Formats: sequence, structure tokens, C-alpha cells
Amino acid sequence: EPEVTQTPSHQVTQMGQEVILRCVPISNHLYFYWYRQILGQKVEFLVSFYNNEISEKSEIFDDQFSVERPDGSNFTLKIRSTKLEDSAMYFCASRGQGAYGYTFGSGTRLTVV
Amino acid sequence: GESVGLHLPTLSVQEGDNSIINCAYSNSASDYFIWYKQESGKGPQFIIDIRSNMDKRQGQRVTVLLNKTVKHLSLQIAATQPGDSAVYFCAENPPGGPGNKLTFGGGTRVLVKP
Repeated sequence: EPEVTQTPSHQVTQMGQEVILRCVPISNHLYFYWYRQILGQKVEFLVSFYNNEISEKSEIFDDQFSVERPDGSNFTLKIRSTKLEDSAMYFCASRGQGAYGYTFGSGTRLTVV
Repeated sequence: GESVGLHLPTLSVQEGDNSIINCAYSNSASDYFIWYKQESGKGPQFIIDIRSNMDKRQGQRVTVLLNKTVKHLSLQIAATQPGDSAVYFCAENPPGGPGNKLTFGGGTRVLVKP
């Protein structure tokens, strides 16, 4: 069964450093998403991406965040200057045209120290 | 003040019994709903979905019921097994926006007792 792959599984970074979280969505999917889950809390929407541009973003997704699909297979989330409160699990998801079901990756646990 | 994690409601169920997990959704215009299972350290795993033009849908050992009048969604798991122990989230797809984001509910922890 096709999977969404995320790397790394765990990233530890110092406050103020830049991080890039990587995702390989399912190959024929067209819509891509980042969600995050702070420990013990609900999953929260960050951003959706379609046709090489952001289609929607939440208030969490401020100027410190950016997304990119650099080569047609990878989908990345960059946090420019990490803060302690960015510590969370970050999930990538993708879905196909007209398909309602999402497929989520296993997540990257980001720890900012 | 100090932020606290969400206190998850917990459902303890005996192995072999049926489980019912409930969810209240927020947007009366949402047209699509999904139940996800999340095991510790893993991403949400799709269980079953339902469109707003239906009130019931069955899968293998799972049934989702939708009551649009009271904005309520439930997941029934038949003959609960130890492998069903996880946190279960409902998610709704509110209308508007081309991205079709999902809005997740707070989750219910299911503990299956052997």
C-alpha cells in the first residue's frame, strides 16, 4: 500500500536554528498538507499546498514557516528560527484529485532545546 | 499561565465487547467526516469515512453513524481486540478553500482489557 514517508523521525535542534522537515507524498497525489500535534493535544492544520502554491494556511503558519516542493517528489516544511513552542510532532499528508481520503505520514518529532 | 495538555476521555472496554466512541463536530456545513486511529508515536491512520449525504456506513468491524441534526458522529467497533487500543480522532472537512483541510476533534483513548 502506498505510503507517505517523513524524515527524520526525530529532530533535536537549538532554539533559533533553522530546521527542514522532509516528506515524500504518495506519487500520484496532488494535494499536500502539514499538520502538527503538540504532545497530548489535538492534531492542528498548518498549511495546504496545491499546484505549486499554498492554498490555505492557519494562523500558526506565520512568517517563520515556509513550504516547498523542490523537485516533484519531496515536500518540505522549513521553520526559519525555531522557538521552544515549536516542539511537536509534525505530520505530512497527501491526497489525490477528487479523493477525500488523506494519507498521513508517521511524523517527525521536533524537539527544540 | 502554564499550558496543559488536553485531557483525553478514556474508554475502557473488555476484549470482545463492542466499543462506541462519540464525537461532536463544530461546523454544520462540513460535508465529509473521517475517523482516525493513532497509536503511540505514529501518524493518524484512516479507519472509515462518511459523506454528509449518508447517516451510516459500515466497514470491517467498524460502523460510523452521522447525526447532522445534533452534529454528532460516532464510531462503533465490534468485538474489540487488544490491537484496537489507541487514541481515536474524528475529523471534519469544513467547506470553503481549495485545500480541503481537516479539523480534528480532541480524541478519545480506548484501552482494551484482556
